[in-house]
Amino acid sequence: TQLLEQSPQFLSIQEGENLTVYCNSSSVFSSLQWYRQEPGEGPVLLVTVVTGGEVKKLKRLTFQFGDARKDSSLHITAAQPGDTGLYLCAGAYSGGSNYKLTFGKGTLLTVNP
Amino acid sequence: NAGVTQTPKFQVLKTGQSMTLQCAQDMNHEYMSWYRQDPGMGLRLIHYSVGAGITDQGEVPNGYNVSRSTTEDFPLRLLSAAPSQTSVYFCASSMGSLPGQLFFGSGTQLSVL
Repeated sequence: TQLLEQSPQFLSIQEGENLTVYCNSSSVFSSLQWYRQEPGEGPVLLVTVVTGGEVKKLKRLTFQFGDARKDSSLHITAAQPGDTGLYLCAGAYSGGSNYKLTFGKGTLLTVNP
Repeated sequence: NAGVTQTPKFQVLKTGQSMTLQCAQDMNHEYMSWYRQDPGMGLRLIHYSVGAGITDQGEVPNGYNVSRSTTEDFPLRLLSAAPSQTSVYFCASSMGSLPGQLFFGSGTQLSVL
């Protein structure tokens, strides 16, 4: 079973602060996705990265895929209370099934007003 | 815009009882899957289907059965519930193979006493 490690597991910050969440594996991904999940709801896709070194921006969120496609990061600038939620990374492994997505355990972010 | 619909939202079972968790999607997606989400464990794939009549096992398939008679529906059956199956269950669908976007339902919270 391939593992996808996310850190930190919990993060509590004040409104306006910046933060970075990390997603790491010893295996190579063919693609990696980031999801956000709110209480009582299913995860919602934020972004998909496919190319090593790729950087994608979604308003105040910046996603980076490592050059070797083994890691990814999510950076939030000037966090707001509306950013509160569980952030999950999910990867499809290179050479594996195209139909199996492995999820990390998530980072629970709380942004305090 | 219904998307992925799961029923019931909450369920309490006694050990040994059977039940079926329902999942339906109206997006004509070929790919459907079931995940369970447990504290500290993240989302783990139970079973998935790449089209009507085709199913396959995920990471944690034991104790669960699935079938896919139509494109729209993908029920998950617990034949003899056990306390270890207490969890939140999510159904998700995607248009095709990964890295396509997974659309999640809002989940079923199951407690087995």
